[in-house]
Amino acid sequence: DQQVKQNSPSLSVQEGRISILNCDYTNSMFDYFLWYKKYPAEGPTFLISISSIKDKNEDGRFTVFLNKSAKHLSLHIVPSQPGDSAVYFCAASEGGKLIFGQGTELSVKP
Amino acid sequence: GAVVSQHPSWVICKSGTSVKIECRSLDFQATTMFWYRQFPKQSLMLMATSNEGSKATYEQGVEKDKFLINHASLTLSTLTVTSAHPEDSSFYICSARDSARGTYNSPLHFGNGTRLTVT
Repeated sequence: DQQVKQNSPSLSVQEGRISILNCDYTNSMFDYFLWYKKYPAEGPTFLISISSIKDKNEDGRFTVFLNKSAKHLSLHIVPSQPGDSAVYFCAASEGGKLIFGQGTELSVKP
Repeated sequence: GAVVSQHPSWVICKSGTSVKIECRSLDFQATTMFWYRQFPKQSLMLMATSNEGSKATYEQGVEKDKFLINHASLTLSTLTVTSAHPEDSSFYICSARDSARGTYNSPLHFGNGTRLTVT
């Protein structure tokens, strides 16, 4: 039973445009959400997080939106850069234990 | 920033042998470390939570006798894959949370993973 789902395995965006990565979850007990970026053969790198009591968190080019009623969160990257090309995982926390989605491979084309 | 070192980065072993993977937090202490496994093109699956000085907590479906976890100090956790078989071939990643941050929701810091191939 996949509690955290990223339904788009891949996304291709032109440099300078906005990238929107989506994530859905089923467990209403999740109290914290995070986005990680991962390159092949490396561990994930933390990008940005959001508490379940908030609906938006912004850090530079990265903004995470949380819609609790829809159990949906999204990561916006603007403007997108070629160096952003990687696999992005959303993760949800219940008591500190992280459950990951399947990942979305973002390709930013020059 | 917080650094987690994982060793080895890759290992090839024969079926039936055991392999030990080390995970160290280099500049912070970690009461709790987590071990994940990732199959190609799939999500990171949590295997177990490693607690310093006590027994690990395993996720459903993970064999504790096959994947031995030891967390002997605040900076080191080890995962030993015992009697490895080809189906154990995978990418194993450890992660740790800085105990000094004081909140269980502070981000996890990940090692670079270990690619295990069992022949």
